[in-house]
Amino acid sequence: GENVEQHPSTLSVQEGDSAVIKCTYSDSASNYFPWYKQELGKGPQLIIDIRSNVGEKKDQRIAVTLNKTAKHFSLHITETQPEDSAVYFCAASKIKAAGNKLTFGGGTRVLVKP
Amino acid sequence: KAGVTQTPRYLIKTRGQQVTLSCSPISGHRSVSWYQQTPGQGLQFLFEYFSETQRNKGNFPGRFSGRQFSNSRSEMNVSTLELGDSALYLCASSLAVDSPLHFGNGTRLTVT
Repeated sequence: GENVEQHPSTLSVQEGDSAVIKCTYSDSASNYFPWYKQELGKGPQLIIDIRSNVGEKKDQRIAVTLNKTAKHFSLHITETQPEDSAVYFCAASKIKAAGNKLTFGGGTRVLVKP
Repeated sequence: KAGVTQTPRYLIKTRGQQVTLSCSPISGHRSVSWYQQTPGQGLQFLFEYFSETQRNKGNFPGRFSGRQFSNSRSEMNVSTLELGDSALYLCASSLAVDSPLHFGNGTRLTVT
């Protein structure tokens, strides 16, 4: 089955700096890659996603890049703010008629220091 | 629009008991998935339902089961609870099979 590895497991950045989280996946048939942010006591919140027919996607301070050949994708957060502090998860899926099962990475705890 | 609602938020059960967790998806969403989150194993897929039919099942023992009702609401049941079942159980809903999953805040189950 699919295996997703996520690095680093913890990331500390100064407010205003950029943060980058990287994930690799094993199944070349995976075609959907969402990123979730989880705050304490809450469920994961979708922040951005990308499909395999796209190489990059941006939404304000957040961007995701996908390299299908190397089977890795990355989350970039620019101009970090204290409210960006949370645990971030990447995931991969083979969306098909039979369903959308997400395989998650292990998570990255991001701390933005004021 | 209301998000995914899970009840109860917290549960404490004893080994050997059974438990039922409930999930109400976002209005109009017909697909519901369940995930288990633990510090050791991370987020793991349990099962997915669409139009009352189970479409996918993860690698969990048969003690874990679920169902979906005609109004898309879903329940999951865990029988003969073990200490290792202590976890945050998350429900997610999506509009269609190729739509993003939106998670609820979970039910925190503690087995003593």
